[in-house]
Amino acid sequence: AQSVTQLDSQVPVFEEAPVELRCNYSSSVSVYLFWYVQYPNQGLQLLLKYLSGSTLVKGINGFEAEFNKSQTSFHLRKPSVHISDTAEYFCAVVPLSGGYQKVTFGTGTKLQVIP
Amino acid sequence: NAGVTQTPKFQVLKTGQSMTLQCAQDMNHNSMYWYRQDPGMGLRLIYYSASEGTTDKGEVPNGYNVSRLNKREFSLRLESAAPSQTSVYFCAGSRSDEETQYFGPGTRLLVL
Repeated sequence: AQSVTQLDSQVPVFEEAPVELRCNYSSSVSVYLFWYVQYPNQGLQLLLKYLSGSTLVKGINGFEAEFNKSQTSFHLRKPSVHISDTAEYFCAVVPLSGGYQKVTFGTGTKLQVIP
Repeated sequence: NAGVTQTPKFQVLKTGQSMTLQCAQDMNHNSMYWYRQDPGMGLRLIYYSASEGTTDKGEVPNGYNVSRLNKREFSLRLESAAPSQTSVYFCAGSRSDEETQYFGPGTRLLVL
């Protein structure tokens, strides 16, 4: 079994400021890690994913995340946010051998960018 | 390509009524999924279909049934709606050769 914790339910940040959205997970097996973005009244869209290799992963819209195995974290960062980044962000994990039916989502972090 | 599509976008039901949520994809997905999204709870898997002709229960299957009509279509049925089923429902699909899920735009359901 696995679990995903997104401690911050809401994160307000001024436009052009940096932001970090935190994600911690626990799992007894190796996992793939994902970040999804959900804009208002839309479905989830893949932002980035870590499968293997370099622990620093770059995604769309200038976001990046770093996998830290020792701290079981996969924090999402952006150096300068834009108004259009206002959305809800979900971290998710999938066990390597389990398939997406075993996916576990975090409870989400709402990013509010203040002009 | 339309991607993953869902109908209807919105629906209001009275307790006890039935309805079917439709999902279709043109992305050659082997697997398809139905999730519900509730405030503060993330997404929870209701049912999934690993391939055409197979379906399996997810985390919260009670009160729902599904049909994988063909490779493209995966429907979710509420036989007797309850207020606890008020939620936003998302369909998703994935291919075995790609480590990504693709989500539809969602169906917002209110059960009175």
